[in-house]
Formats: sequence, structure tokens, C-alpha cells
Amino acid sequence: EMPMTQSPATLSVSPGERATLSCRASQSVRRNLAWYQQKPGQAPRLLIYAASTRGSGVPDRFSGSGSETEFTLTISSLQSEDSAVYYCQQYNNWPPAFGPGTKLDIK
Amino acid sequence: QVHLQQSGPGLVKPSETLSLTCVISGDSVSSNTAAWNWIRQSPSRGLEWLGRTYYRSRWYYEYAMSVTGRATINADTSRNQFSLQLNSVTPEDTAVYYCARVDKQNWFATWGQGALVTVSS
Repeated sequence: EMPMTQSPATLSVSPGERATLSCRASQSVRRNLAWYQQKPGQAPRLLIYAASTRGSGVPDRFSGSGSETEFTLTISSLQSEDSAVYYCQQYNNWPPAFGPGTKLDIK
Repeated sequence: QVHLQQSGPGLVKPSETLSLTCVISGDSVSSNTAAWNWIRQSPSRGLEWLGRTYYRSRWYYEYAMSVTGRATINADTSRNQFSLQLNSVTPEDTAVYYCARVDKQNWFATWGQGALVTVSS
């Protein structure tokens, strides 16, 4: 399994501001990367796939970028409901693997 | 819209078998484009993909190395569901277990609601 890393582990941002979350792969995954949002007691929800394509119903304040080994999830104009843990997942190499997550707190 | 509904016991004794079922609505377990996965989440291991089944003229079953030999995934076409059995469980298998659907490439667009399984005597 190919390890994924995420930084920071925890992020605290004020409403209306921008949050930038990072994900790194130990080797190239091309653009085969997804991002998920998980709120307490809920299953993960797909936000982004193919590094930058938003999933169905995902607000356009969520955007993804990057390729190869470095990826970014940007959440612009943060809202209180964006408080969650965010995970990246690579699906270029087998088996699919998730990062450890970034916990986003809204101040 | 695809919906996955999980069921199964919440408490399993050490050395026994964990069994979970995921009922599919809005798609077919025999779909030629989808794959049906099991993923678990624990504080110590994070999100961990366990295995999957899919149909492409015949049935395929694939497992993570961490559970190979202990895990069995089955598809039941008559009930449009799939299941996970994990043998010889230990407390380290305590986790929230999710079923999830993949379509086209291996991102998980649809998830079940999750089921906490505790391994304890």
C-alpha cells in the first residue's frame, strides 16, 4: 500500500476566510486523487475526484488542484458547516489508500 | 440515485466471525461498470480499504493484504446485496465498517451509513 500524508493535522480558520489543505503521495499518482469530507457520525462524502472535478452537488467554494505527488484542497469563503475532517485518497496504484486526514475547525 | 443500506451485529466475540450485509437500491450488484467495496475506519488504522467484488462477465473478488485469508466478500444477485465476512476477529478489528460503490474509476462516490463493530468478550 502506498502511504499518503496530509498537512496540517488540524487547521482553525475564521468564517469567510480561505482554508488550504495539502495531500502528498510518496510516488506519482498522476491526477488520480479524490477528496472526502467527513462530519461526526457520518460516512465520508465525496467532494473532488480526478484531482479537480467536483462531485455531484458539491458547492463551488470547494476546489482541488495538483498532480503527481502534491495536491491541494481549497475551501474559499468558509462556512460553519465546513467544519469536518477532510481525507485525500489515491486510486492510481493498487490498493486504493487514504491519507490520515486534516481536521478543519471553524473559529 | 444509488443508496446503500448496511446491517449486521454490533458486537462480536474474539475468534468469531464478523458478518455484514449491504443492500443496494438504485443499481444492480451485477452492474458491468460498478464495483462493490468494504472499507473500515478506526482511530489506529484510519480509513482502510478491505476488499471488493464486481461482475465483468464473471465475478471478481479482491482483498487487501491485511485481511487476505480472513475476509470473504459475496454477492447475492437475488437480493441485490453484497456481504463481508471476517474470520478469527481480534480487538484490532474493532472499527466502523462501511460499504461503498465505485463507478468507472476507483473513487468512492456512494457510501453506506456505516456500522460500528466492536470485538469484545
